[in-house]
Amino acid sequence: AQKITQTQPGMFVQEKEAVTLDCTYDTSDQSYGLFWYKQPSSGEMIFLIYQGSYDEQNATEGRYSLNFQKARKSANLVISASQLGDSAMYFCAMWRVSVEKLVFGTGTRLLVSP
Amino acid sequence: NAGVTQTPKFQVLKTGQSMTLQCAQDMNHNSMYWYRQDPGMGLRLIYYSASEGTTDKGEVPNGYNVSRLNKREFSLRLESAAPSQTSVYFCASRLAGNQETQYFGPGTRLLVL
Repeated sequence: AQKITQTQPGMFVQEKEAVTLDCTYDTSDQSYGLFWYKQPSSGEMIFLIYQGSYDEQNATEGRYSLNFQKARKSANLVISASQLGDSAMYFCAMWRVSVEKLVFGTGTRLLVSP
Repeated sequence: NAGVTQTPKFQVLKTGQSMTLQCAQDMNHNSMYWYRQDPGMGLRLIYYSASEGTTDKGEVPNGYNVSRLNKREFSLRLESAAPSQTSVYFCASRLAGNQETQYFGPGTRLLVL
């Protein structure tokens, strides 16, 4: 089964600390991509970061980095120096190249406290 | 450059009523998608259109129809709304190629009574 698992329904972190949001995936595809999206309380889906299955380097975008461990099938999101505005739902998703579809996890709600 | 736009933002329907959710993108993207998001769940694909003139079913297509009117516009129709279709609906688009990122519209919140 092609599936994304996010085991942390909620996470708490203090402002300025780093936080890791877990994501594991299950696929038999050789070529795939992994995404993280942020959904603030306003509801929109905001693209954060992308990692291709053949990319050897971990993706980074500003304070976001994706810790890609292919053998373990994990694609954890690391947010450095958390800010209050980082409080949101975070979704991990897998792009299946063979069928051109995106499969989403159930999300992790992050709360950043002052 | 508005990105992906959706109308309406909110809608309340009675069971059995029909409506069409509109989606348009101005990024010259080839592929467009409709998802629904229910509480405690991620987004699930309803229908998608890989290119103008083509549409295909996703994970949860029952009760919906779509039209890819042109390259910019992709509409989702509920012919006879049911309470189970109460959800938030997202449209997304993607420029086919090496970068597979999908860009999402702001969503339509639908309540079926």
